[in-house]
Amino acid sequence: SQKIEQNSEALNIQEGKTATLTCNYTNYSPAYLQWYRQDPGRGPVFLLLIRENEKEKRKERLKVTFDTTLKQSLFHITASQPADSATYLCASNQAGTALIFGKGTTLSVSS
Amino acid sequence: EAQVTQNPRYLITVTGKKLTVTCSQNMNHEYMSWYRQDPGLGLRQIYYSMNVEVTDKGDVPEGYKVSRKEKRNFPLILESPSPNQTSLYFCASSRGTRFEAFFGQGTRLTVV
Repeated sequence: SQKIEQNSEALNIQEGKTATLTCNYTNYSPAYLQWYRQDPGRGPVFLLLIRENEKEKRKERLKVTFDTTLKQSLFHITASQPADSATYLCASNQAGTALIFGKGTTLSVSS
Repeated sequence: EAQVTQNPRYLITVTGKKLTVTCSQNMNHEYMSWYRQDPGLGLRQIYYSMNVEVTDKGDVPEGYKVSRKEKRNFPLILESPSPNQTSLYFCASSRGTRFEAFFGQGTRLTVV
């Protein structure tokens, strides 16, 4: 069955550094990947979507890459701040099926 | 304001007492879905709906029912809740599965 995995449950970095989160997928070839942010007890909030024909996408301090050869997406937050501390989820699906999520990586940025 | 509204936000109930969690969206979205979130297990999809009168099972449908009689509403029904259904539930909607999903505020359900 199609799987989407985020290998790291937690990532701790210092303020100002770049955080890099990984999302891997197996048994399917998604046409796109999405990234969401979730704060404790709240619903996920959409951040970025990248399509398979886009190598990279940026939004302010956020950058997402999509490598179909490695079956992987990387999510970067540059110049990280304590306010970036949250759980980040990747999601995708095959055409016509439900949107599925990885388990998430909890990022902690210390000042 | 574009939003997905779930009610109630918090609910404590007893085993076997039927309950309904409501979900409504005001964005005219075709796609709606329900997830449960448990520590260490992430977001798991319960049911989803591609359009009115079209619903399908997700990964963990046992013990749940849904209906989609109108485009804006997608209620989640637990006909005989059990303690293993204690969880944080989220409803989401989108224009389709290839578009960003909008989530509700969540419903924290405790079954004793």
